[in-house]
Amino acid sequence: AQTVTQSQPEMSVQEAETVTLSCTYDTSESDYYLFWYKQPPSRQMILVIRQEAYKQQNATENRFSVNFQKAAKSFSLKISDSQLGDAAMYFCAYRSPLGGLYNNNDMRFGAGTRLTVKP
Amino acid sequence: SAVISQKPSRDICQRGTSLTIQCQVDSQVTMMFWYRQQPGQSLTLIATANQGSEATYESGFVIDKFPISRPNLTFSTLTVSNMSPEDSSIYLCSVEGQTADTQYFGPGTRLTVL
Repeated sequence: AQTVTQSQPEMSVQEAETVTLSCTYDTSESDYYLFWYKQPPSRQMILVIRQEAYKQQNATENRFSVNFQKAAKSFSLKISDSQLGDAAMYFCAYRSPLGGLYNNNDMRFGAGTRLTVKP
Repeated sequence: SAVISQKPSRDICQRGTSLTIQCQVDSQVTMMFWYRQQPGQSLTLIATANQGSEATYESGFVIDKFPISRPNLTFSTLTVSNMSPEDSSIYLCSVEGQTADTQYFGPGTRLTVL
């Protein structure tokens, strides 16, 4: 079964600096989707970025970018020019394609990384 | 992305009672999902709800404890039955976006059971 591992329970970054959050996953599928979600104290889960495994190009959304290493099964999130509003729990998630090997349609989440931004 | 609302946003309940959580979407969606997030933990899928069929439950979750309704393509409810303090969690509903691989989440319902 697919598992998602976030090895950093907590991270801290200075405002305006860059931080990288790590995520690794385990799967036997060749095609799948990876996501980073942000959950601020308001608890609303917000999609930050999405990556399709068959695309080699790393996804980018403004100050957020990923380093997707398919062979290493690694999917890290880089936040540039960190802002106070970036402080939140960040969850890495994996999803199989519809009709995929595991025949499931849910998202598998990592344990999360709590990011603190220091002014 | 869809606009998703949940009611109630939070509640404090007594042991042994039941609470029904509502999830409303501003557009028609095929699949809706219910997740539980225990304090300080990640999200765990409870069940998948398709309109017009029985919900599909994940291992460790049963219909008697978490009955789900899905009467139409924009609405679903999750009931937490015969509650105990261990049910204290955030309950989130989610829906698939225009690309079926992506899910968007509601604001969650924070449940505290005394």
